[in-house]
Amino acid sequence: EVQLVESGGGLVKPGGSLRLSCAASGFAFRDYSMKWVRQAPGKGLEWVSSISSSSSFIYYADSVKGRFTVSRDNAKNSLYLQMNSLRVEDTAVYYCARGTVWGSYPFDYWGQGTLVTVSA
Amino acid sequence: DIQMTQSPSSLSASVGDRVTITCRASQGIRNDLGWYQQKPGKAPKRLIYAASSLQSGVPSRFSGSGSGTEFTLTISSLQPEDFATYYCLQHNTYPYTFGQGTKLEIK
Repeated sequence: EVQLVESGGGLVKPGGSLRLSCAASGFAFRDYSMKWVRQAPGKGLEWVSSISSSSSFIYYADSVKGRFTVSRDNAKNSLYLQMNSLRVEDTAVYYCARGTVWGSYPFDYWGQGTLVTVSA
Repeated sequence: DIQMTQSPSSLSASVGDRVTITCRASQGIRNDLGWYQQKPGKAPKRLIYAASSLQSGVPSRFSGSGSGTEFTLTISSLQPEDFATYYCLQHNTYPYTFGQGTKLEIK
């Protein structure tokens, strides 16, 4: 069974940092690209970042570029999102989602999400 | 960036009704589109991938169609558990973009 479990959310002050983790199980993590998506309270979904299976290709939304860094450790079946210079508008539930392997379509499995609150 | 215009933003319907939700892409995205259902406090759940392929385990009353710039999600006969918010997502070109969402409510 595919499982994605996020952790690391919490309350942080503006300008602070936080590192989110996503633990994957039930599939060949090293073969799949992975994604981060967020949802501000009461708002819609926003794609945040993508990383390829070997970390060779990385993409960010303009809203987080230069502040957030995505990474992965295939030996640990884990995905990370380092968030620096956090702003009030980064407050959201952050989801990790499975990407693609050859011939598949992304965003088929999602974690339960972890809440990040940026507030003074 | 590719804009995904989803309509309607909200919809009131009754159990047994047929409903259609539309997403329009600002440029062609082939069939690189998925439809997602989200219930309060829960993660999104994929219903449709590749614009028209039904996700395993999803009831056959859900269907998707379209290619290029016009896409639709149809629920043929609404069930009580279908009242939720629905999103489309294009994954053709970065930045990936979601539609604004359609909140489906009980009439």
